[in-house]
Amino acid sequence: SQQGEEDPQALSIQEGENATMNCSYKTSINNLQWYRQNSGRGLVHLILIRSNEREKHSGRLRVTLDTSKKSSSLLITASRAADTASYFCATDRRGYNKLIFGAGTRLAVHP
Amino acid sequence: NAGVTQTPKFQVLKTGQSMTLQCAQDMNHEYMSWYRQDPGMGLRLIHYSVGAGITDQGEVPNGYNVSRSTTEDFPLRLLSAAPSQTSVYFCASSLTGEGEKLFFGSGTQLSVL
Repeated sequence: SQQGEEDPQALSIQEGENATMNCSYKTSINNLQWYRQNSGRGLVHLILIRSNEREKHSGRLRVTLDTSKKSSSLLITASRAADTASYFCATDRRGYNKLIFGAGTRLAVHP
Repeated sequence: NAGVTQTPKFQVLKTGQSMTLQCAQDMNHEYMSWYRQDPGMGLRLIHYSVGAGITDQGEVPNGYNVSRSTTEDFPLRLLSAAPSQTSVYFCASSLTGEGEKLFFGSGTQLSVL
């Protein structure tokens, strides 16, 4: 069974708006990562947040982690048409060399 | 710097046939892994390796074999293909594994008829 589940499954917004995607997971984690996948391509790493961190920023990306609620969110500010892609969260547990992915959120940004 | 290279990009098999999906990385990464991606299912881990000579099972290992004789290569073998193995397969690697970001190949689209 998958560790992470993204919400919503699909999101459609206009350019310039912010996009927020959420990820919930079931067991305690060591790290949580977010990846992006353009149609027909491999995944590209966006950001990693460790279990002792609460927030991280990278350019227009902001990731939060709430270990008490077992959830994370990815915020993309001032979205662009080029941000159109699927976004996945992935978690690992201490001592387990397995990165487990959720089902992803499909983001469509309209010009 | 090629990164993670997967071959072939596309493959059609008949039920019962065998084949090997190739994966090579040139980043001297210790950790390598195979995922399959099905519509609406995200990525599911098939097998992984933390170094040459060491492999272990992921979430969905049945029907697949792997070996890791060198640091660079991590082939995935389908011994007797089934229609349920129709999927897109991704190979990924990282420096050491836990807590490291994965670098993905461009994928192999496999259809089993």
